Amino acid sequence: QQQVKQSPQSLIVQKGGISIINCAYENTAFDYFPWYQQFPGKGPALLIAIRPDVSEKKEGRFTISFNKSAKQFSLHIMDSQPGDSATYFCAASSGDSWGKLQFGAGTQVVVTP
Amino acid sequence: DAGVTQSPTHLIKTRGQQVTLRCSPKSGHDTVSWYQQALGQGPQFIFQYYEEEERQRGNFPDRFSGHQFPNYSSELNVNALLLGDSALYLCASRAAGQGDRYGYTFGSGTRLTVV
Repeated sequence: QQQVKQSPQSLIVQKGGISIINCAYENTAFDYFPWYQQFPGKGPALLIAIRPDVSEKKEGRFTISFNKSAKQFSLHIMDSQPGDSATYFCAASSGDSWGKLQFGAGTQVVVTP
Repeated sequence: DAGVTQSPTHLIKTRGQQVTLRCSPKSGHDTVSWYQQALGQGPQFIFQYYEEEERQRGNFPDRFSGHQFPNYSSELNVNALLLGDSALYLCASRAAGQGDRYGYTFGSGTRLTVV
C-alpha cells in the first residue's frame, strides 16, 4: 500500500499565485521528508527537504510546512511562474532504512501566464 | 560535471526476454538506488547498492536483480519480462556520508517498453 498519500493529483494556478501540495504519512519512523520536481523526460530533482524537528523550512519561493502530530507536510510554491510547471513528488524515508525513499503519487502543476 | 548517466535511454523488449540497464553515478557518489516509475505514478524503490552489495530491497520479485562494480557503476537486470514491467527505470546516486541537503541525484531514466 502507498505509505505516502499526496493531493491534489493536479492543479492549475495563475502566474504569481500560490501552489499548495499536501502529503500525509502513517509510518512514525519516517524522519526525512524531501520534495522532488520532475519535468517530462527527466528524472526527479531535489527541491527542498525537512526533518521533523522543525515545523517550517523556506528556500527561495519554496516552503515546506510540517505538522508532526498530524503526520502531514505540505509544499507551498510562492509567486508561481510558468517555469514551475512540472510534476511534484513528496517522499519520506526513515533512519533505519536510509536511502529507501517512499514517494507519493505526484501532483501535476500547471502555471498559466 | 556529468550527473547520473543511464543507458540506454529507450528500449523495446518482448515478453519473456531479459534486459540489462546501466547506470554511472555522479562523480564522488558511491551509493546507487534503482526505482521503477510507471506512467503517472511516483517512483517505486527496487533496491540499493553500496560497497558492491545489495543493502536494501523493495517489494519486487527475484526477477529483478542488480550489481554494483568497483567503480560504483551499477546494472539492473530483469528476467522473464512481463508487460507490467513497462516503465521508466530511474537510477539515483549519493555519497554515503553526504548530508540531507543534497539528497539523491537522479538520472533521466531508461524507458522500457515490453511488447
